[in-house]
Amino acid sequence: AQTVTQSQPEMSVQEAETVTLSCTYDTSENNYYLFWYKQPPSRQMILVIRQEAYKQQNATENRFSVNFQKAAKSFSLKISDSQLGDTAMYFCAFMPANAGGTSYGKLTFGQGTILTVHP
Amino acid sequence: GAGVSQTPSNKVTEKGKYVELRCDPISGHTALYWYRQSLGQGPEFLIYFQGTGAADDSGLPNDRFFAVRPEGSVSTLKIQRTERGDSAVYLCASSSYVGSNEQFFGPGTRLTVL
Repeated sequence: AQTVTQSQPEMSVQEAETVTLSCTYDTSENNYYLFWYKQPPSRQMILVIRQEAYKQQNATENRFSVNFQKAAKSFSLKISDSQLGDTAMYFCAFMPANAGGTSYGKLTFGQGTILTVHP
Repeated sequence: GAGVSQTPSNKVTEKGKYVELRCDPISGHTALYWYRQSLGQGPEFLIYFQGTGAADDSGLPNDRFFAVRPEGSVSTLKIQRTERGDSAVYLCASSSYVGSNEQFFGPGTRLTVL
């Protein structure tokens, strides 16, 4: 079984500054995907960024980037130039996959981090 | 195109009643997932379908919970004899196929059991 741990229940940042959200996980799987999802008050879960464990290079999506440390089982999210619209709950999630990258479907989520961006 | 939709948006019921929650996946998506999100927590997996069949129902908490997807599109999550502990947001997601790593989520149904 997999576990995902987010140790920061709440974080805050000033607009235009940078913030890093932490995530650690535990698994015996050789390949897997890691995700960061954003959930605003509307409840809609939105994919922010994903990383395949076999890929060495850290994923980036515009202002969002990850620091994936496979040996340490750590997967942090860095948000640069924070915007008011980034205010939301952020979830780290894990999905097992086979060596070819085909996923096994179900997601395991962490407890979430509430991020507040202040003007 | 249209995303995943869920109805109702909110449902209030009394302890002991039966409820049905509906999920309409993205057209053409063969895989469908149900998750339950308790207040202040991350979503927890309940069940997923590949086509009409339940491929993995290991997350259903007990036999009061049941889900169907009779035509491989719309799915209904059914909860019998509701308890106050069933109060949560029930999220549905779909993906183009089970091996895809991208799931598209609906807005959820907030269930409140009084």
